[in-house]
Amino acid sequence: AQTVTQSQPEMSVQEAETVTLSCTYDTSENNYYLFWYKQPPSRQMILVIRQEAYKQQNATENRFSVNFQKAAKSFSLKISDSQLGDTAMYFCAFMNQGAQKLVFGQGTRLTINP
Amino acid sequence: DAGVIQSPRHEVTEMGQEVTLRCKPISGHNSLFWYRQTMMRGLELLIYFNNNVPIDDSGMPEDRFSAKMPNASFSTLKIQPSEPRDSAVYFCASSLQGGHAGELFFGEGSRLTVL
Repeated sequence: AQTVTQSQPEMSVQEAETVTLSCTYDTSENNYYLFWYKQPPSRQMILVIRQEAYKQQNATENRFSVNFQKAAKSFSLKISDSQLGDTAMYFCAFMNQGAQKLVFGQGTRLTINP
Repeated sequence: DAGVIQSPRHEVTEMGQEVTLRCKPISGHNSLFWYRQTMMRGLELLIYFNNNVPIDDSGMPEDRFSAKMPNASFSTLKIQPSEPRDSAVYFCASSLQGGHAGELFFGEGSRLTVL
């Protein structure tokens, strides 16, 4: 079974700083997808960014980018120029290609301080 | 556009009572998921439907839990009888099968407290 591990339960940075959240996963599959979801205090989960395992190029979405290291099974999220609105729980997630089941990590609580 | 709508937002009940959680997916989405979130276990997939048909219910904890999707615009998750260990936030999410893989649209969740 696939597992997703987020080793940082909590992180805190100052506004405008860059922060990197870590994620590792375990799978024997070669084709899959990786995701970062954000859960703000309102509780509603929102997709931040997605990476296809067959793509070598790291995904980027505005201030959000990933560092995907397939051999190391590592998938970190970098938030540049952090903003107060980035304060949230961040979940790393895995999904096999052709499947619909998302497997989530335990989450990292990120606080952006003014 | 309206997102995924869940009700109730909060529910407090006593052990042994029946609990029904409701979900209206985004119009046009044909996949619906029920997740449970707790501090101890994180986010767990309970069950999901494609085109109103249950596909995988292996995450349903036990027979006290049941889920239905009578039509494309409505689903329920029922717990009968409820127990204190069922206390959690229950999320419903929907997606378009064949759309962007893994792009789920979540509701705001139903926080259940069983006393």
